[in-house]
Amino acid sequence: QSVLTQPPSVSGAPGQRVTISCTGSSSNIGAGYDVHWYQQLPGTAPKLLIYGNSNRPSGVPDRFSGSKSGTSASLAITGLQAEDEADYYCQSYDSSLSGSRVFGTGTKVTVL
Amino acid sequence: QVQLQESGPGLVKPSETLSLTCTVSGYSISSGYYWGWIRQPPGKGLEWIGSIYHSGSTYYNPSLKSRVTISVDTSKNQFSLKLSSVTAADTAVYYCARDQVLHYFDYWGQGTLVTVSS
Repeated sequence: QSVLTQPPSVSGAPGQRVTISCTGSSSNIGAGYDVHWYQQLPGTAPKLLIYGNSNRPSGVPDRFSGSKSGTSASLAITGLQAEDEADYYCQSYDSSLSGSRVFGTGTKVTVL
Repeated sequence: QVQLQESGPGLVKPSETLSLTCTVSGYSISSGYYWGWIRQPPGKGLEWIGSIYHSGSTYYNPSLKSRVTISVDTSKNQFSLKLSSVTAADTAVYYCARDQVLHYFDYWGQGTLVTVSS
């Protein structure tokens, strides 16, 4: 079972701003480990969206931004577009689980 | 451009061992980084299985550790996954990926569906 909790779904109209939360604990996000985010379009492999809490790989639009505070992190999508409809996963490292990389439960973003 | 490609049987019988190989191109595994396996059951979320360094040191998901072996063959620029005593619960799309220094996955294979069924 995932140790990082995300809302199952969020939705918004085109052009709006949506945020996805990722809640962890003192052994992962709260311990200072970085949070990373992935976008998974239907039927495709996950794609790295944000790394190191707030850094975007080359080619990722600046509509996507990440932040981290305490035991939680957030992904924001501004100017929502139809092509943003996908599943989003947060990921971090957990010191209590022997070097484990841990994923969030996943959030489905629907563009209304 | 770094590319990864999974290969292996798409159907495995219950109680047998699942074996997959990931072939890396565009980067030499022996140059560094960890290399990982992640799986996704149909309609469900992502689960990290384990990662291996180019030198051979490994980290495994504690929930799978007793059944997982990950190995690396730098001469072929490949790394492999073996998961023993499989059940239907191991049916999933299996991805291989490059595991960066900060423990995130920057390059992914396309994934391969493995079904456990008799």
